[in-house]
Amino acid sequence: DAMVIQNPRYQVTQFGKPVTLSCSQTLNHNVMYWYQQKSSQAPKLLFHYYDKDFNNEADTPDNFQSRRPNTSFCFLDIRSPGLGDAAMYLCATSTRTGQGYTFGSGTRLTVV
Amino acid sequence: QKEVEQNSGPLSVPEGAIASLNCTYSDRGSQSFFWYRQYSGKSPELIMSIYSNGDKEDGRFTAQLNKASQYVSLLIRDSQPSDSATYLCAPLRGDSSYKLIFGSGTRLLVRP
Repeated sequence: DAMVIQNPRYQVTQFGKPVTLSCSQTLNHNVMYWYQQKSSQAPKLLFHYYDKDFNNEADTPDNFQSRRPNTSFCFLDIRSPGLGDAAMYLCATSTRTGQGYTFGSGTRLTVV
Repeated sequence: QKEVEQNSGPLSVPEGAIASLNCTYSDRGSQSFFWYRQYSGKSPELIMSIYSNGDKEDGRFTAQLNKASQYVSLLIRDSQPSDSATYLCAPLRGDSSYKLIFGSGTRLLVRP
């Protein structure tokens, strides 16, 4: 089945230690998104890509970076995680036709 | 003012009742609207989309849209305990950015 896959499902990292979250898709969608969702809050958009064109939200901290080496893969890098970065990180894909997103299963990040 | 407003709930209904979830949005340019269901600790799942004023039915779900009032709702008929989840309203931005704006969701609790 075509899908969006995030790895790992759970990630524990140390305060200040760089961490990378990954997302892959078999839907061949040209738009990919990274969202951060904290408990009882709306998902917050961090970045998105139209094909290889990178779009950063104005309020995304510099501590967060992203890479999309090809259509299928997208990575979220957190350079120096703080306790406030503990959250669920959601990857999503869509086409440019205004249809809804398809989400991956998410990565729950814990910072210790 | 938040871009998308939803009552956080919890909305508690007995099994078999109709659950009514409401959402208002501020972007008058939004043309596409989506409802996502999110179980605790899981990623959002698309359950309904609506693009035109009026009602759209899909099984036990009915989405209603009134663009003039900037209002969208979701009705769940014959509510089941398995419907207990948080429901996220998500208009698509009207600026051709292909970005969904998420509300913080309404938590629904269906009592057996």
